[in-house]
Amino acid sequence: SAVISQKPSRDICQRGTSLTIQCQVDSQVTMMFWYRQQPGQSLTLIATANQGSEATYESGFVIDKFPISRPNLTFSTLTVSNMSPEDSSIYLCSVESGVYTEAFFGQGTRLTVV
Amino acid sequence: DAKTTQPNSMESNEEEPVHLPCNHSTISGTDYIHWYRQLPSQGPEYVIHGLTSNVNNRMASLAIAEDRKSSTLILHRATLRDAAVYYCIPRGSQGNLIFGKGTKLSVKP
Repeated sequence: SAVISQKPSRDICQRGTSLTIQCQVDSQVTMMFWYRQQPGQSLTLIATANQGSEATYESGFVIDKFPISRPNLTFSTLTVSNMSPEDSSIYLCSVESGVYTEAFFGQGTRLTVV
Repeated sequence: DAKTTQPNSMESNEEEPVHLPCNHSTISGTDYIHWYRQLPSQGPEYVIHGLTSNVNNRMASLAIAEDRKSSTLILHRATLRDAAVYYCIPRGSQGNLIFGKGTKLSVKP
C-alpha cells in the first residue's frame, strides 16, 4: 500500500494568483497522476507526472496553466496558475506501481478561488 | 477507452446484499475491469479488479459476464460505511484510470 500526503488540504485564493499543491508518498512509486474534481462532478485526469521527464497532459489541460514537477520517486507538485473562479475544485494526487495494480489517492486539496 | 454505463443512483438497506451493475460493451479483449469507490469528502479507493473470471476479496465480489460486456460489483452485506460513489473503469495496459459518472449508493439503516 501507499500513504499519500497532500498539502495544503484546502485554500482560498485570490483570482490571478497561483497555488502549488504538494504530493508526498511514503514509498517510491513509478506512476503519479493529478486529477481535478469540480463541484458535484467525477474526477478528470489532468496529467501523468513522470520522474525525470516532462509531464504528459490530457486533452484540455496545458503546461502553462498546470505546471507539474516530479523531482524524485516520492514527490510531485502541481501548480494552478493565474487562477480564476472556474479553477475552484478539488485537486487529487494518485500513485500506482503498475497498470494492473491498485491506485492510491490522496485526500485532495480543496481550492476556492475568489 | 471503453465507454461505461452505470445507474446514477441506487439504494440499499443495511446488512443486505447490493449488486451494482456496469455495462461496458465496447471493452477491449485485454482491458481489465476496475472498480473504485469514493466516500464523501475522501479520495477514491480501490475496490477490486478482474479480467474474465469472477473475483473475490475482503471488500467485494466482481462478477464478469461471459462476453465481458458487463460486470456486477457485489457487496455481500452493505453497511452505512459503504455509502459512496462507485466507479466501474475498464482499463488497458497502456491506459489511465478514466472515471465516469459512477453510481451513488445510499444505504438505509
